[in-house]
Amino acid sequence: QVQLEQSGAEVKKPGASVKVSCKASGYTFTSHAMHWVRQAPGQRLEWMGWINTGNGNTKYSQKFQGRITITRDTSATTAYMELSSLRSEDTAVYHCARGVDYMDVWGKGTTVIVSS
Amino acid sequence: DIQMTQSPSSLSASVGDRVTITCRASQSISSYLNWYQQKPGKAPKLLIYAASSLQSGVPSRFSGSGSGTDFTLTISSLQPEDFATYYCQQSYSSYSFGQGTKLEIK
Repeated sequence: QVQLEQSGAEVKKPGASVKVSCKASGYTFTSHAMHWVRQAPGQRLEWMGWINTGNGNTKYSQKFQGRITITRDTSATTAYMELSSLRSEDTAVYHCARGVDYMDVWGKGTTVIVSS
Repeated sequence: DIQMTQSPSSLSASVGDRVTITCRASQSISSYLNWYQQKPGKAPKLLIYAASSLQSGVPSRFSGSGSGTDFTLTISSLQPEDFATYYCQQSYSSYSFGQGTKLEIK
């Protein structure tokens, strides 16, 4: 079955970086783009960026430009999202989600806590 | 950036009720509008894509309509498992989500 399995929870200090992974299975990895969406406690879903898993092209939300890097490893069928210069406001659940115009398969989420 | 605004932000209803949630875009987005259901501690689940297309496996009591700036999600007869938070999302220009509508049991 189609699945996106994400890496485990992280606790980081302000100013640090975090890298979250998302391993895809059950479908052709390079046939579907991958988005990253986060949700801070009690807040709405927030789109961060996406990667064309075929050619590696990326597009990022202007809010995160300069702090976010999305990559993929096609041999490992895994996408990665790295966020740098973390601050307390980055405490959230980070999801990967498959799709282009709509997101039809989601990972369960990775909790990232930023605290000194 | 395109802003998405949902109404109401919360809603109380009973099993069997017909419920409608509205989503308005700050500019025309054609039919690039999707609806998701999210339960506490879970990932969002796609219900409707392209404004009115039902995602495979989603019960037919869910339906979507609209185009341009105004969209609706309708649940024809609420079931106990439908109590959740619903989000609209546009994909016309980049991507953005509404603030969510929390559907609670009356």
